[in-house]
Amino acid sequence: DAKTTQPNSMESNEEEPVHLPCNHSTISGTDYIHWYRQLPSQGPEYVIHGLTSNVNNRMASLAIAEDRKSSTLILHRATLRDAAVYYCILRPHRQGAQKLVFGQGTRLTINP
Amino acid sequence: DTAVSQTPKYLVTQMGNDKSIKCEQNLGHDTMYWYKQDSKKFLKIMFSYNNKELIINETVPNRFSPKSPDKAHLNLHINSLELGDSAVYFCASSQGGGGGIYEQYFGPGTRLTVT
Repeated sequence: DAKTTQPNSMESNEEEPVHLPCNHSTISGTDYIHWYRQLPSQGPEYVIHGLTSNVNNRMASLAIAEDRKSSTLILHRATLRDAAVYYCILRPHRQGAQKLVFGQGTRLTINP
Repeated sequence: DTAVSQTPKYLVTQMGNDKSIKCEQNLGHDTMYWYKQDSKKFLKIMFSYNNKELIINETVPNRFSPKSPDKAHLNLHINSLELGDSAVYFCASSQGGGGGIYEQYFGPGTRLTVT
């Protein structure tokens, strides 16, 4: 499975944008980029995913580099509830490739 | 309505006992998973079932046996519990097929403590 690299931790202030980086230099052409987050004492929850183009949803935006070797999860206006561990995960688009391979993730702290 | 539910939420038991954790999803998904999160917070896949058929079986001791009575349920039975089995176990579900497209929905977790 292709590997991702994320900073161990990041800190931001409430109501400010947050940019969470992820490097995936060994990504293959069929790998989707997924982001999940895990709030304290909860199971992981899906945030967003993309293949080549930038993506937006109600939770966040995903900016994917043109060479696909890195991506950035953008929280446009962080709230205290966004404090969580954020995981960047590559998932191959092939039958049976269902599992999520979690790395250490980035622990995001939001200051009031 | 809880999409993916697990019971129990907490489980404290002694070494050597046998215990089960139950998982149910009401999302109509046909693929379900068990993940383990250890004390260092690393999340790792254990098993996956698609339409009641085992499709992922990672390197897990054979004391762990998943059972899927139907597409909506995936239970985890653990024999002869050991101290190292203490962890939080998460159940998840997703639509099947398509590889990396479909997101997974996770349950709230079962914290297992073996004493």
